[in-house]
This record gives sequence, structure tokens and C-alpha cells, in this order.
Amino acid sequence: AQRVTQPEKLLSVFKGAPVELKCNYSYSGSPELFWYVQYSRQRLQLLLRHISRESIKGFTADLNKGETSFHLKKPFAQEEDSAMYYCALSSSGYSTLTFGKGTMLLVSP
Amino acid sequence: EPEVTQTPSHQVTQMGQEVILRCVPISNHLYFYWYRQILGQKVEFLVSFYNNEISEKSEIFDDQFSVERPDGSNFTLKIRSTKLEDSAMYFCASCRSSYEQYFGPGTRLTVT
Repeated sequence: AQRVTQPEKLLSVFKGAPVELKCNYSYSGSPELFWYVQYSRQRLQLLLRHISRESIKGFTADLNKGETSFHLKKPFAQEEDSAMYYCALSSSGYSTLTFGKGTMLLVSP
Repeated sequence: EPEVTQTPSHQVTQMGQEVILRCVPISNHLYFYWYRQILGQKVEFLVSFYNNEISEKSEIFDDQFSVERPDGSNFTLKIRSTKLEDSAMYFCASCRSSYEQYFGPGTRLTVT
């Protein structure tokens, strides 16, 4: 069975501080990993996917297969980064997403 | 930019009643999904739909649930006889390629 674990429900940081949102997964094959973000009163939207290896809004995430992790990082948090962040896993192709419980990131001025 | 739309935004129904949640996926997308999120819990997969049939479904998606794409644009989720535990936010998503699923804004279903 596939599972995604986000150990922190809430992460509170000050503007300009580094951010790391943790995500660990359990999957027997080769998963596709994603980060979705949900800003207040908005829909879930894709932030990052590991296959594209890109940086979006200053966020990066590296898939570590040895540690089965896909942590989301940003060197300097901004207030507009405050949102709910979900890590998600897909087995392949157009397959369904398995989500973690999400981490609320609050960036204070 | 095209978006997935869902109606209604909030539906209140009595236990035992049937509800239909509606979604209009992005027009050139081929894969469609329903997810739900009970308050305080994670987003959970319900069902995926491709080529006019269910391609995958979860344990949650029992005989009380059904999906339909009646007219080539709408994608509906029907719950035949709602229970209190069906109260949740229901998200529709669609996908064309490259793994990115686009989500709708959700329908909040409240069963009283």
C-alpha cells in the first residue's frame, strides 16, 4: 500500500527564514512525487513535481529514494507563501494521487 | 486560463437523500477524478474515469456512489442515499497528460 506522511501539521516561521516541509513516502515501486499548495480560499494547485526538477516560487524538492523523502525547501520564506502544502504520490502515468495530511505554513512579518 | 468548475459550492442535504455533484473538467482533458476531504483529514481518492468508464476506484467508492459523463462536458458524482459520514469537501480533477491534475474549487457537502 502506498502512503504519504507529513509529520508537521503546522510550521510557523518568520519572513526571510528558511523553510523545510517534510514528506516521507512508502511505496514498493518507483513513485512520482508532487507538492500541491492551497492558498486561502483557493483551489489545490500543483507546485512541484519531482520529474521536472524545477524551482517554482523559490521552492525546490529533491527525491531521496534512500530515505524515501521528498522534502520541500525554500531558503527565504515570504508572507505570501502562507498556505496549506500537500505532498502527494502517484504510482505512474495518469494514476491517482495519494495525499499526505498536509502542513500549514504560516509566515509572519 | 481554463479551469475546472464545480457546482454547487455548498450542498446541504438530509440523511438518506440523493445528491449529485457536478463538475466541468477542462475541455481537452481525458482523465477525470473525484476526491474528498473530510474536515481535518487528508484528501482521499474516490474514483477515476477514462474513456467513459471507471478506471480505478477506492474502497470508499461503494455501491452508494456512481459517476457519469452524461454529455461530453459534465462529470457528475452521485451519492444515492447520503449518510452523515459523507459530509466532506468533494474535489473534481482532470488531467490531459504529464501527470498534472487540475483541481476544481470543491463542493462542500453537509449531510444533516
